[in-house]
Amino acid sequence: AQKVTQAQTEISVVEKEDVTLDCVYETRDTTYYLFWYKQPPSGELVFLIRRNSFDEQNEISGRYSWNFQKSTSSFNFTITASQVVDSAVYFCALSEISGGYNKLIFGAGTRLAVHP
Amino acid sequence: GAVVSQHPSWVICKSGTSVKIECRSLDFQATTMFWYRQFPKQSLMLMATSNEGSKATYEQGVEKDKFLINHASLTLSTLTVTSAHPEDSSFYICSAIDGGTGGEQYFGPGTRLTVT
Repeated sequence: AQKVTQAQTEISVVEKEDVTLDCVYETRDTTYYLFWYKQPPSGELVFLIRRNSFDEQNEISGRYSWNFQKSTSSFNFTITASQVVDSAVYFCALSEISGGYNKLIFGAGTRLAVHP
Repeated sequence: GAVVSQHPSWVICKSGTSVKIECRSLDFQATTMFWYRQFPKQSLMLMATSNEGSKATYEQGVEKDKFLINHASLTLSTLTVTSAHPEDSSFYICSAIDGGTGGEQYFGPGTRLTVT
């Protein structure tokens, strides 16, 4: 069965610190997508990244970077030089491609608090 | 970019009444929409998959007679919470699949339901 585990419930850092949010997933499919979403206090989900299971290249977007390792079934997210505006709940999610429905299985989320 | 709207953004209703939440894809056609529920400080849980012109597919444990889903057009899906009770108070989020872009999924801003 599909499962996404975000073991870190809450993380608290001081501004400018680097922080890594862990995500471990389980799936029997060989073809799938992995996602990260940000949910600020307003509640609206903000899409951050989608990664195809066939693409293990790490990605960097500004202060954000993602490390995808199929060998350990992990898709970790790092924020470099964190800022107060990064405070939010971050969700990792998994979607199987087969079936055409793209329904997402979300992890429990990690609440990140960045303090000035 | 593609936009998904939800109406209302928040609603308060009395126990025993029904409330309808709309999910619209504003600039694309969505053959598939999903409904998620998020309790405070918890993750998003998929409730059902809504396909245009056919019956919704409900996840295990979701009462289909209580949460009525209608996907009557390619741009509109509705979720009706019938005979609402305080335990139905939650944040309801819809998402829509843009069939024209290879299955990109876009989330609505959510509807906060409070049942008194």
